[in-house]
Amino acid sequence: LAKTTQPISMDSYEGQEVNITCSHNNIATNDYITWYQQFPSQGPRFIIQGYKTKVTNEVASLFIPADRKSSTLSLPRVSLSDTAVYYCLVPPEGQGFSFIFGKGTRLLVKP
Amino acid sequence: GAVVSQHPSWVICKSGTSVKIECRSLDFQATTMFWYRQFPKQSLMLMATSNEGSKATYEQGVEKDKFLINHASLTLSTLTVTSAHPEDSSFYICSARDQRGAHQPQHFGDGTRLSIL
Repeated sequence: LAKTTQPISMDSYEGQEVNITCSHNNIATNDYITWYQQFPSQGPRFIIQGYKTKVTNEVASLFIPADRKSSTLSLPRVSLSDTAVYYCLVPPEGQGFSFIFGKGTRLLVKP
Repeated sequence: GAVVSQHPSWVICKSGTSVKIECRSLDFQATTMFWYRQFPKQSLMLMATSNEGSKATYEQGVEKDKFLINHASLTLSTLTVTSAHPEDSSFYICSARDQRGAHQPQHFGDGTRLSIL
């Protein structure tokens, strides 16, 4: 079972760049890394997904080193509304897609 | 695109009542949907995998007879909490995955807050 490890919590201030790193030492060769954001009393929202190097979309960037044993979600210029829990998901072995959640990282953005 | 609709968003009912929650993929087809349960300040816990046209696969410790899952079409899965009791009170979330493509991510509904009195 591919297991992920993230910091339990992080604090930041408005306007700063936030980087959340996830370790996934046992990621399989063909597996993608997926990140979700969850606000209280809402379902998780897909943020970004990647396989290697760098992926960027309108809300975030995802950096994946060559060994793919970790990944870093980068949120540029965070605002108070980015306060949420962020989850990094990697597929269980042999499954091909991610559906098991770890504990996530609770991000608090302060004014 | 990739919208998952979950209803109802909030249910309050008496102990012993059965409650049905619907999960629909609005703009894509999903052969597989997932049902999660989440307690306050905790992560999502996978309850079962719902497979279109076949029986659901339940995670260890989840009672099949308590949490009935039906996935009758490629866009609809339902979770019925039978004879609900206060300990069943929780936040239930469904997700669906577009069956086209090997690396499609899951997309989630907005969850159902279930409160059993």
